[in-house]
Amino acid sequence: DQQVKQNSPSLSVQEGRISILNCDYTNSMFDYFLWYKKYPAEGPTFLISISSIKDKNEDGRFTVFLNKSAKHLSLHIVPSQPGDSAVYFCAASLIRWWSNYQLIWGAGTKLIIKP
Amino acid sequence: AAGVIQSPRHLIKEKRETATLKCYPIPRHDTVYWYQQGPGQDPQFLISFYEKMQSDKGSIPDRFSAQQFSDYHSELNMSSLELGDSALYFCASRVTGEAGELFFGEGSRLTVL
Repeated sequence: DQQVKQNSPSLSVQEGRISILNCDYTNSMFDYFLWYKKYPAEGPTFLISISSIKDKNEDGRFTVFLNKSAKHLSLHIVPSQPGDSAVYFCAASLIRWWSNYQLIWGAGTKLIIKP
Repeated sequence: AAGVIQSPRHLIKEKRETATLKCYPIPRHDTVYWYQQGPGQDPQFLISFYEKMQSDKGSIPDRFSAQQFSDYHSELNMSSLELGDSALYFCASRVTGEAGELFFGEGSRLTVL
């Protein structure tokens, strides 16, 4: 049972336009959401995060929106650049007393920026 | 700034051999996580340690074991290697008590022949 879902395996966007990556989750207990970017054969790189008590967080070209009632978050990249082509993972964190912390990952969305 | 260091970066082993991967977390980070990513697959959580104690366990095979040492570095020991163990192994670290991101190393690529 996937608790974090990224339903689009891939997304193609024209350079300079907005890229919108979506993520849905099922567990209302998640307290923190994160986006990671990953190039092939490299470790995931942290991009941006948002606490469950907020609905928006912005960092440069990256903005994450959280809609708790819909259990949905999205990552907006504006403007999209060729270097943004990568796989983007959505993740949610859950503080549990017996394990301190766990990160639940989505399956990833491959973003392709077309020149 | 110091990052998570993993060694070796590449390792080639034969079936039934043993391999050890090492992870040196960012200074001050007290929690270490191990992930396995097979070809074309998502990263799978294996195991985590907090203050040298195992804190959570994921899909780690019984042939694998791991520990965290007093200097907070961690080692993942893999025995009786199988072809299916060929993967990228990522280590990540964080500071307990701080919500937020894991910092990942660049990974160790294990190839089992």
